[in-house]
Amino acid sequence: QIQLVQSGPEVKKPGESVKISCKASGYTFTQAGMQWLKQAQGKSLKWMGWINTNTGKTTYAADFTGRFVFSLETSASTAYLQITNLKNEDMATYFCARGDWELDYWGQGVMVTVSS
Amino acid sequence: DIQMTQSPASLSASLGETVTIECLASEDIYSNLAWYQQKPGKSPQLLIYDASSLQDGVPSRFSGSESGTQYSLEINSLQSEDAATYFCQQHHDYPFTFGSGTKLEIK
Repeated sequence: QIQLVQSGPEVKKPGESVKISCKASGYTFTQAGMQWLKQAQGKSLKWMGWINTNTGKTTYAADFTGRFVFSLETSASTAYLQITNLKNEDMATYFCARGDWELDYWGQGVMVTVSS
Repeated sequence: DIQMTQSPASLSASLGETVTIECLASEDIYSNLAWYQQKPGKSPQLLIYDASSLQDGVPSRFSGSESGTQYSLEINSLQSEDAATYFCQQHHDYPFTFGSGTKLEIK
């Protein structure tokens, strides 16, 4: 069955970096794009952007340029989200989700806590 | 950016009832709309795509429709497991945007 399994929760200090993984299984990794979403506690979902798993081309939402990087390790069917220079407002749960348009499979989410 | 105005923010309904959740797009999104269900502590699950197509495995009591830029999710014969927060998402144009969510309580 199709699964997206993300890495575990993270606790970081402001200014540090975090790299979240999203390992796909049960389908051909390159057959669908991978999107990234942010959800602060009690809030709606915010689309961060997506990465074309065929070409590696990335598209970022305006609020997620500069400190946010999507990458791939295609041989391992894994997508990554790296956030540098963490800020308090980055504290949230981050989801990867499969799809070029609608999102049919989601990872379980990674809670990132930013605290000094 | 395309704004998705979702209503109501919350609603409470009894078992067996029918409820409707709506999303109004700020411009034409040409049926490029999905609906998701999210339960506490879980990731969202796709219910409806292309405004009215039922995702595989989703009960037929869920249905989607559209009228102009207004999109609706109807849930018939409410079950206890339908208690959740529901979101709409437009995927017509970047950045993809979500509604603010509707929290459904089952009495």
